[in-house]
This record gives sequence, structure tokens and C-alpha cells, in this order.
Amino acid sequence: DGGITQSPKYLFRKEGQNVTLSCEQNLNHDAMYWYRQDPGQGLRLIYYSQIVNDFQKGDIAEGYSVSREKKESFPLTVTSAQKNPTAFYLCASSSEGYSPLHFGNGTRLTVT
Amino acid sequence: AQSVAQPEDQVNVAEGNPLTVKCTYSVSGNPYLFWYVQYPNRGLQFLLKYITGDNLVKGSYGFEAEFNKSQTSFHLKKPSALVSDSALYFCAVRDLPNYQLIWGAGTKLIIKP
Repeated sequence: DGGITQSPKYLFRKEGQNVTLSCEQNLNHDAMYWYRQDPGQGLRLIYYSQIVNDFQKGDIAEGYSVSREKKESFPLTVTSAQKNPTAFYLCASSSEGYSPLHFGNGTRLTVT
Repeated sequence: AQSVAQPEDQVNVAEGNPLTVKCTYSVSGNPYLFWYVQYPNRGLQFLLKYITGDNLVKGSYGFEAEFNKSQTSFHLKKPSALVSDSALYFCAVRDLPNYQLIWGAGTKLIIKP
């Protein structure tokens, strides 16, 4: 089955540590996205990539970094510079234009 | 600026009754509108979209949405609610020219038996 796999489902880290969230897709989609979801705030775009080796900042990129070395993979690193990293992180992909996004099942990150 | 509003944080409906989840939008050009559903601790699932054409759009799980250009609305509807429809629903509009989605804050739909 084609889809998006995010791992791990739950992640716990101590404050000051960097952490990397995995996102893999086998849908052959060109575009990939990272969103952050907080209660009552909808989805906020962190980074997106429309092609391999290229990515753009979204609305809340500060404290995050990404890479897009392969079409299938778009890992997100939450750095120690992110002031409030505890959240639910969603990865998505789409083919092009007005195609709908396909989402992974998310990673819930807790930083204490 | 492009924006999406979901005026109700929560909607409560009895099972078997019709349901409506409201969405209004503001765009500078032609709107490209989407509805997604999210079940607890899961990703979002695409329900339906409006790009052009008929104002009534049919989607997954028996849902439909009515596009109203004069009222700048795109309300999600279902004739007969099921308990399993209980979830969080998001409306989104495509932001031109960079094609990114602008999301509403979400509406929690609770269907009571």
C-alpha cells in the first residue's frame, strides 16, 4: 500500500537535545511538507520541499531544520533553539498543483 | 490576505440528524477549497475539494460541501450523522501563487447516540 510513514509515533527528549523525526513516502510525490499541530490552532507549516535538494521555510521555521536528499524522505530536526517544541508533528506529501495532501499519522514529541 | 475561518469550535449533533460544519474564506482570486478529517492521534484524511464547476461537491464517507461564492462559504454537510463521524474537521484554502494551504483552526464534531 502506498502511503506516508512517520516514526516514531511518540518521542520523548530532554530540553537542550536535538531530535530528528522521520518521514518516508512511497507515493512518488514530488512535494513534501512538515506541519506542527497544537490544540486549537490548526496546522502551521514548518518547511516544505517541492523537489529533491530544495526546500523552503514555512510560517514557523525557526528552531527547525530539514533535508531532502531523496524523493522519498524528508526528515525534520527539532533543534534546541526551538523554544516550545512539545507538539504533534505531521508530515504530508502531494503530487502537484491542487492535488490533496496525503498525511502520515504523526509524531507526538514531548520535551521536558 | 488569504484566510479561512471555522466559526464553531465544536458542533454537537444527534445520530441520524443532518450535520453542518461551517467554513468561510477570504481570497483575492478564485478559491480552491478543501475539507479534511482527523481522528484522534492520527493524520488528516482528505474528504473533498472544490476547484471549479458544480457548487455541490460530493466526497468520502457520504459527506458533501456547498460552495457559495456570494457568501464566501464552503460548509461541510451530511444528511444523516453517524457516531463514527465524530472527529476534528479542518477547512483549508489554497494560497496562490505558492500553492500552500491555509488552514482553519478546526471544528470538533461530536455525534451523540
